[in-house]
Amino acid sequence: SQKIEQNSEALNIQEGKTATLTCNYTNYSPAYLQWYRQDPGRGPVFLLLIRENEKEKRKERLKVTFDTTLKQSLFHITASQPADSATYLCALDKSGSARQLTFGSGTQLTVLP
Amino acid sequence: DAGVIQSPRHEVTEMGQEVTLRCKPISGHDYLFWYRQTMMRGLELLIYFNNNVPIDDSGMPEDRFSAKMPNASFSTLKIQPSEPRDSAVYFCASSLEVRANYGYTFGSGTRLTVV
Repeated sequence: SQKIEQNSEALNIQEGKTATLTCNYTNYSPAYLQWYRQDPGRGPVFLLLIRENEKEKRKERLKVTFDTTLKQSLFHITASQPADSATYLCALDKSGSARQLTFGSGTQLTVLP
Repeated sequence: DAGVIQSPRHEVTEMGQEVTLRCKPISGHDYLFWYRQTMMRGLELLIYFNNNVPIDDSGMPEDRFSAKMPNASFSTLKIQPSEPRDSAVYFCASSLEVRANYGYTFGSGTRLTVV
């Protein structure tokens, strides 16, 4: 069956360090993968999209990698700040299925001052 | 643009009552999605529309759930009759066409409590 797994339910790191979040998937052949941020009581907010033929994408302090052989994406936040504390969700498009995103359960990140 | 607008923000209803959730997508977006989020199951896709036409409703849990999109600027999700297990946060999201480099834009959600 199809599955999206994100590493550990919660991740605590010290301010200034790099946070690394993992998204693993099985039985998917996604055309692309997306990362979202969700704060309590709010809807998810789109951060980055990476396509299957791209290895890496960056946006300010964010970096996403996509390894279709390992079926894994890594999401990095460099120079983390307490304001980065949130739940981060990865999402996959069903390949060939237009705009149908399936979300992982998320990783809750806390950046400690 | 004000983003995706959902109403109401909170809804408390008694079991057996009809509930209608509303969504106004971002103008110009071709796709509209309804998701449900719970602690146990995370974010689940219920149904999505392309150019106002329902494309896939396989995520709709039962016949008690129905969704419509009468025009490009409005969609509803209706639950009739509601049950306690329907309690969740319901999100509406919209997006541009597939090949654009965009993700979804979500609304703030409707927190539904069925007692």
